[in-house]
Amino acid sequence: DGGITQSPKYLFRKEGQNVTLSCEQNLNHDAMYWYRQDPGQGLRLIYYSQIVNDFQKGDIAEGYSVSREKKESFPLTVTSAQKNPTAFYLCASQPGQSLNTEAFFGQGTRLTVV
Amino acid sequence: AQSVAQPEDQVNVAEGNPLTVKCTYSVSGNPYLFWYVQYPNRGLQFLLKYITGDNLVKGSYGFEAEFNKSQTSFHLKKPSALVSDSALYFCAVRDINNFNKFYFGSGTKLNVKP
Repeated sequence: DGGITQSPKYLFRKEGQNVTLSCEQNLNHDAMYWYRQDPGQGLRLIYYSQIVNDFQKGDIAEGYSVSREKKESFPLTVTSAQKNPTAFYLCASQPGQSLNTEAFFGQGTRLTVV
Repeated sequence: AQSVAQPEDQVNVAEGNPLTVKCTYSVSGNPYLFWYVQYPNRGLQFLLKYITGDNLVKGSYGFEAEFNKSQTSFHLKKPSALVSDSALYFCAVRDINNFNKFYFGSGTKLNVKP
């Protein structure tokens, strides 16, 4: 069953902690993305990666880091430098480099700072 | 710069009635437009897209969208709403200068009442 798997579904972080959100896809897609969703603000791009071992900052990269060591995996680390990390995080992927393909989304991880 | 606007935070409609969720866009060049739906605490699901061709685009679950170049709009429609259509709907436009970037609207919550 092909798709994008995000884990965990819910995550609680203490102030000052780094946490890592997992994203795995078996769609053989080249490009992968991380978005942050806040109520009433739509989705904002954090980081994206077009190929293995390469990634680019999106619009709100500060306080986040990523890696792309394998095509299938694109983990996101929320560092202690992110001042307001409580949000819903969505991972996405798409095949190839084309303007007319849609992105495929995982089910999301809800991160809460306690 | 590319952007989309969803002027309504919420749309209420009775089951069986037609529904419209509005989206207007601003692009420099040809628009690549998408609609997604999100159920609570879930990822986004692709509904339909406009790339080129017919102005009326048909998508999943009986949804369709009308592209209007003169009004720069891409409204989502369905002839007969179902209670199960109640969800959050996002319009998005692709950045033609960077295919990795989607610009999402702020979302419209659709409430279908029995």
